[in-house]
Amino acid sequence: KNQVEQSPQSLIILEGKNCTLQCNYTVSPFSNLRWYKQDTGRGPVSLTIMTFSENTKSNGRYTATLDADTKQSSLHITASQLSDSASYICVVSSSGGSYIPTFGRGTSLIVHP
Amino acid sequence: EAQVTQNPRYLITVTGKKLTVTCSQNMNHEYMSWYRQDPGLGLRQIYYSMNVEVTDKGDVPEGYKVSRKEKRNFPLILESPSPNQTSLYFCASSLGPAIYEQYFGPGTRLTVT
Repeated sequence: KNQVEQSPQSLIILEGKNCTLQCNYTVSPFSNLRWYKQDTGRGPVSLTIMTFSENTKSNGRYTATLDADTKQSSLHITASQLSDSASYICVVSSSGGSYIPTFGRGTSLIVHP
Repeated sequence: EAQVTQNPRYLITVTGKKLTVTCSQNMNHEYMSWYRQDPGLGLRQIYYSMNVEVTDKGDVPEGYKVSRKEKRNFPLILESPSPNQTSLYFCASSLGPAIYEQYFGPGTRLTVT
């Protein structure tokens, strides 16, 4: 069964600090991995999309990495801001004919001043 | 402005009373999908549509119907809602199902009593 596990479940950091969120998956065959940011009560917003051949992708202060061999991804946030407080969701899609993505449960990040 | 809109944003209804949640996008996207989000479970796909008149089941289609008569609209229909369908619903659209960026609507919070 395809699964996406995210860690930690929640994280509290001080403004200006860096942090790294983890995503492990068992989806096969692999097509792409996405990271989304979801503010409370709002729809997810795409941060990065990576395919098999990409191992790093950046979007401003957000940098995602992908290790397709170990089936792990991370999202690094640099110089955190209060507005980074949100849930971060890892989503993995398969290339095996089904277009149903597998979502992680998300990491809840709180940035304190 | 490129966007996905959903209506209504909030809905409280009673068991068995048919309802429709509308979804519309103005980006000429071919791929549209519906998700539900429940605490502790993450997002799960209900139905998706590759194009007009082409729809398919996602992970949790039971109790839901969809139609895609026009490219821009993808309504979600609950013929006989039950309390276990109380959830936060998101519609999303993209150029395609694979590596394309997916745009989410603002969400519809449904309560079935």
